Amino acid sequence: EAGVVQSPRYKIIEKKQPVAFWCNPISGHNTLYWYLQNLGQGPELLIRYENEEAVDDSQLPKDRFSAERLKGVDSTLKIQPAELGDSAVYLCASSRGGNGETQYFGPGTRLLVL
Amino acid sequence: AQSVTQLGSHVSVSEGALVLLRCNYSSSVPPYLFWYVQYPNQGLQLLLKYTSAATLVKGINGFEAEFKKSETSFHLTKPSAHMSDAAEYFCAVSEGNTPLVFGKGTRLSVIA
Repeated sequence: EAGVVQSPRYKIIEKKQPVAFWCNPISGHNTLYWYLQNLGQGPELLIRYENEEAVDDSQLPKDRFSAERLKGVDSTLKIQPAELGDSAVYLCASSRGGNGETQYFGPGTRLLVL
Repeated sequence: AQSVTQLGSHVSVSEGALVLLRCNYSSSVPPYLFWYVQYPNQGLQLLLKYTSAATLVKGINGFEAEFKKSETSFHLTKPSAHMSDAAEYFCAVSEGNTPLVFGKGTRLSVIA
């Protein structure tokens, strides 16, 4: 079974530029998560999808961050415009359901904003 | 709201020695508890999960954790450390239909 796939693995951009991250979850997993992981910290949830619906986006900075999960499979997370403080690792995870189900993580996208 | 505290941001052990990584949680309901491991430049990999079936949970790579409700703890142990165990370890808690909340992590170093 293929794991969670993320691309790109690394991204370097200048501040004020846009950037997008892509995630393909494990086949059959209805729930998809985007996490932000700052250096030396644990992951923090940005948004959670149940199929196509964003059921928890309370921690997503909506002024500059957006996400979509068209057709309930792949997902894209976008930042526009990026700020220096956005430099971090962006992790995608998926699970069969949302109630205590095990979450499986992708390798992450490491973003550096200059 | 649930929370997790991992005691010790860095733990160093000798190869072959006992590994003990501490995790205390706060939850208003019986929680789901997880330990994940993260190797450099990789995502998180599940080590083990507590779901109330048994208080002693065995995971991969020889790790295990014991749920102690009276102490609100879920410490991770391994009898004998191996060089390949060097990584970052995260404890996490969920109350079911709530987001997974992670601790800040403990970096394990193994000395030859």
